Amino acid sequence: GEQVEQRPPHLSVREGDSAFIICTYTDSATAYFYWYKQEPGAGLQLLMSVFSNVDRKEEQGLTVLLNKKDKRLSLNLTAAHPGDSAVYFCAVRTGANTGKLTFGHGTILRVHP
Amino acid sequence: GGIITQTPKFLIGQEGQKLTLKCQQNFNHDTMYWYRQDSGKGLRLIYYSITENDLQKGDLSEGYDASREKKSSFSLTVTSAQKNEMAVFLCASSIHYAEQFFGPGTRLTVL
Repeated sequence: GEQVEQRPPHLSVREGDSAFIICTYTDSATAYFYWYKQEPGAGLQLLMSVFSNVDRKEEQGLTVLLNKKDKRLSLNLTAAHPGDSAVYFCAVRTGANTGKLTFGHGTILRVHP
Repeated sequence: GGIITQTPKFLIGQEGQKLTLKCQQNFNHDTMYWYRQDSGKGLRLIYYSITENDLQKGDLSEGYDASREKKSSFSLTVTSAQKNEMAVFLCASSIHYAEQFFGPGTRLTVL
């Protein structure tokens, strides 16, 4: 089945710097891609969803890149601030007829002043 | 907007005990999910349900039962809690298989 690797597991950046997280997946049929944010003691908050016909999507300081050839998905937080400190997860879904998401193991992001 | 409520927020059980976790959503979503989150790992799907009274196994269904009593609620039962088990159980819902929205979680500790 689908496998997702996410790195780095920990990331520490200064306020105002960018934070870059990458996920690789194995199934070339995977068509739906998601990034979630989890703050301490909370559930997952959906940040962005991307369908496979999109290579790049930007929203509110977040940039998602999708490279289908290399089966690579990335998230870039530009100008990070301390409120961005959280755990970030990528998740993928193979097709339209399944609800099963396969998650990466998460990246713990710390943004310090 | 809507909200997903999970009860209880914290659950402490004894080894071998049967434990039930509950989830309610008012999004009017048809599909609901139960995930298990272990420290340092991603989420793993236990069960999901595409409509009332439907049940689909995920990757981690052994040791669990689930019940979709009505469209808005989905409960999960740990059939026999394992000693020293610690995990967070997250409930989610979606319109069909679209974006999933998550509840705040139930934190389980087994003594």
